[in-house]
Amino acid sequence: DAMVIQNPRYQVTQFGKPVTLSCSQTLNHNVMYWYQQKSSQAPKLLFHYYDKDFNNEADTPDNFQSRRPNTSFCFLDIRSPGLGDAAMYLCATSRDRRGAPYFGPGTRLLVL
Amino acid sequence: GQQVMQIPQYQHVQEGEDFTTYCNSSTTLSNIQWYKQRPGGHPVFLIQLVKSGEVKKQKRLTFQFGEAKKNSSLHITATQTTDVGTYFCAGLLTRPQVNNNDMRFGAGTRLTVKP
Repeated sequence: DAMVIQNPRYQVTQFGKPVTLSCSQTLNHNVMYWYQQKSSQAPKLLFHYYDKDFNNEADTPDNFQSRRPNTSFCFLDIRSPGLGDAAMYLCATSRDRRGAPYFGPGTRLLVL
Repeated sequence: GQQVMQIPQYQHVQEGEDFTTYCNSSTTLSNIQWYKQRPGGHPVFLIQLVKSGEVKKQKRLTFQFGEAKKNSSLHITATQTTDVGTYFCAGLLTRPQVNNNDMRFGAGTRLTVKP
């Protein structure tokens, strides 16, 4: 089945220790997104790729970076995680910018 | 900034009662998406509405897109305990810049159902 896969599902890291979250998709969608979701809040867009074009949201901290080496994979790098970065990180894809994003199962990040 | 407002924030119903959540935008939307997120889960796509005045049904769920494409609603008839979760709308703003992502999520409506 075509889908959005995220690994790992749970990630524990230490304060200030870099961490990378990964996402892959078999939908062959052009757009890939990274969202941050904290408890009882709506998903907050961090950035998105339209094909290879990277688009950063204005309020996304510099601490967050992303890579998309090919159509299928996208990575979220958190260079120096702080306690406030503990959240669910959701990867999503859409066919194009007007298409509905389809979400992966998410990676829950805990920062100790 | 441009936002999509969603109400109510919480709704508690008795099983069998109906439920409605509403989303409103200050500007015209290109389309609107609806998602359901179960506790501990991820947002699951339910439907996309594109046309002015569009109405779509999925079993007990009815989705509407307003004539002016500024508001939308999700109505659940005869709720069941399996309907528990948070329902989000996400509207795509109509903007000229093509590189920005202009999808705005509502804050969500958390539905609880008493058996």
